[in-house]
Amino acid sequence: SQTIHQWPATLVQPVGSPLSLECTVEGTSNPNLYWYRQAAGRGLQLLFYSVGIGQISSEVPQNLSASRPQDRQFILSSKKLLLSDSGFYLCAWSYAADTQYFGPGTRLTVL
Amino acid sequence: AQSVSQHNHHVILSEAASLELGCNYSYGGTVNLFWYVQYPGQHLQLLLKYFSGDPLVKGIKGFEAEFIKSKFSFNLRKPSVQWSDTAEYFCAGRLGSGNTGKLIFGQGTTLQVKP
Repeated sequence: SQTIHQWPATLVQPVGSPLSLECTVEGTSNPNLYWYRQAAGRGLQLLFYSVGIGQISSEVPQNLSASRPQDRQFILSSKKLLLSDSGFYLCAWSYAADTQYFGPGTRLTVL
Repeated sequence: AQSVSQHNHHVILSEAASLELGCNYSYGGTVNLFWYVQYPGQHLQLLLKYFSGDPLVKGIKGFEAEFIKSKFSFNLRKPSVQWSDTAEYFCAGRLGSGNTGKLIFGQGTTLQVKP
């Protein structure tokens, strides 16, 4: 069966520091991968998605970037965090346009 | 613009009460619709989905939803809620075709069930 991992689970970072969040999927190949941010009372906002290695589409222009160095690895990064980057970050995977399955998430607090 | 909206942001019910959570989408073409649930401290998980066929879909834990194309709606229902249904519920839609699978989520509804 497929499983999706995210780490770290929680992170507290100062403003201006870099960020790297990692997501890996097991038990599948060539999945679509997604990064979402969940803000309180605002649902989930799609940040990036990828349909293959090295293929990244950005949905919202912002301070963040994403990379997919391996088939089942998806990384969310920032060079300099802003206060507004605080939130709950969720990674998800799917087979093409089928159902998306979500990871446990990373709670990021920027101080 | 394409959108998915949930009208109820916070719902409080007593056990055994009936539940209906509203979801509407804004798009005139092909849609795939989903309801996800996030129990306290757990992953976001799929409750049910509609792709095509019978507009009344049944999901896990006694939930069902009805796709009404003329109303652009996909409301979630459960005849009798339990305390364990306390969670946050999200409606989501894939609006249009293509293999990217991008979803648009509603704002979420927090359901609190009192024992």
